[in-house]
Amino acid sequence: EDKVVQSPLSLVVHEGDTVTLNCSYEVTNFRSLLWYKQEKKAPTFLFMLTSSGIEKKSGRLSSILDKKELFSILNITATQTGDSAVYLCAVGSRDDKIIFGKGTRLHILP
Amino acid sequence: DAGVIQSPRHEVTEMGQEVTLRCKPISGHDYLFWYRQTMMRGLELLIYFNNNVPIDDSGMPEDRFSAKMPNASFSTLKIQPSEPRDSAVYFCASSRLLPETQYFGPGTRLLVL
Repeated sequence: EDKVVQSPLSLVVHEGDTVTLNCSYEVTNFRSLLWYKQEKKAPTFLFMLTSSGIEKKSGRLSSILDKKELFSILNITATQTGDSAVYLCAVGSRDDKIIFGKGTRLHILP
Repeated sequence: DAGVIQSPRHEVTEMGQEVTLRCKPISGHDYLFWYRQTMMRGLELLIYFNNNVPIDDSGMPEDRFSAKMPNASFSTLKIQPSEPRDSAVYFCASSRLLPETQYFGPGTRLLVL
């Protein structure tokens, strides 16, 4: 059965800290890995990764994929209280399925 | 563009009642997805359509759930009869060309008493 596992389930850090969120997967016919941020509403898209070893970056957020070891990390540097959210990892397969992990709940203390 | 539109935004109903959730995808998008999100199970894909045709409904929990997409600009998710365990946030999402590039609607928060 296809699965996406995120760790940790929750994380509390202080503003300014750097955090690393993990996502491992077992999905047949892998096509892409996606990261979303969910605050008190709908998930919003952050990154789509399809190739190993190529870092995607957007401001203080960055992500990289390892297709050999079947995992991805999402890094957030110099965290701010506005980064508090649930971060969802999802994997897309070549038969058009999208499988989501349960998310990491991140809380940034001022 | 207004984005994905869902209605109602909140629904409170009693067990046994029929519930209909509505979704208008972004114009020009050819994929439409229905998800359910709970604390216990996270975000689960229920069903998705491509060009109005249901492609995969393996995530639909049971026969009480049904979904239709009569045209490119409208879809419904119906629960009949509803049960308390159906209480969740139901999201609709749409995308163009690839399922991965999907945009989520604001969700419908359903409470079944």
